[in-house]
Amino acid sequence: AQKITQTQPGMFVQEKEAVTLDCTYDTSDQSYGLFWYKQPSSGEMIFLIYQGSYDEQNATEGRYSLNFQKARKSANLVISASQLGDSAMYFCAMRTGMDTGRRALTFGSGTRLQVQP
Amino acid sequence: DGGITQSPKYLFRKEGQNVTLSCEQNLNHDAMYWYRQDPGQGLRLIYYSQIVNDFQKGDIAEGYSVSREKKESFPLTVTSAQKNPTAFYLCASVGVGLSEAFFGQGTRLTVV
Repeated sequence: AQKITQTQPGMFVQEKEAVTLDCTYDTSDQSYGLFWYKQPSSGEMIFLIYQGSYDEQNATEGRYSLNFQKARKSANLVISASQLGDSAMYFCAMRTGMDTGRRALTFGSGTRLQVQP
Repeated sequence: DGGITQSPKYLFRKEGQNVTLSCEQNLNHDAMYWYRQDPGQGLRLIYYSQIVNDFQKGDIAEGYSVSREKKESFPLTVTSAQKNPTAFYLCASVGVGLSEAFFGQGTRLTVV
């Protein structure tokens, strides 16, 4: 079974500081993809960053980077220089099923980030 | 532009009524998913479909039904058997490549 665990229900960070949101995963698939999404109060799911299981380098997208530690099965999101607009819910997700053809998209429970001025 | 379109954005349902939420994608994705999200909570899987004319129950399928007659479309019906349907509903599609996972804008359903 596939599982994503986000252990931080809520996080606070000061504006302009960096913050790390934790995500651990469990899968027996060899090929998988890891995603982070931001969900503001409007509800839409905004794609932030993607890491493939075979990617050797950590993914980066602007102020977002993904700290991928395959042996530990962790895929933490690092947001540098936090901005007030970063306040939102953040979800870690995993894409599996490349080996079996039964494509699944599994989500963690989310972390609510609040950026303080 | 390719993407997923959910409609309507807001939907109001009277008790005892069935309502259908639309999800259409032009990404040529085989797999599509419906999730339910309650306030402040995570996403729970309702139904998913890996291919046309086939779909599987997720974790909270009771009170919901789906169809997948076309690759592009995966409508969700919230039936009167769903006792607490007020929630935010998200549709997603997944393509062949590992990085292909996209969401619609969501439908906020309220029972009045």
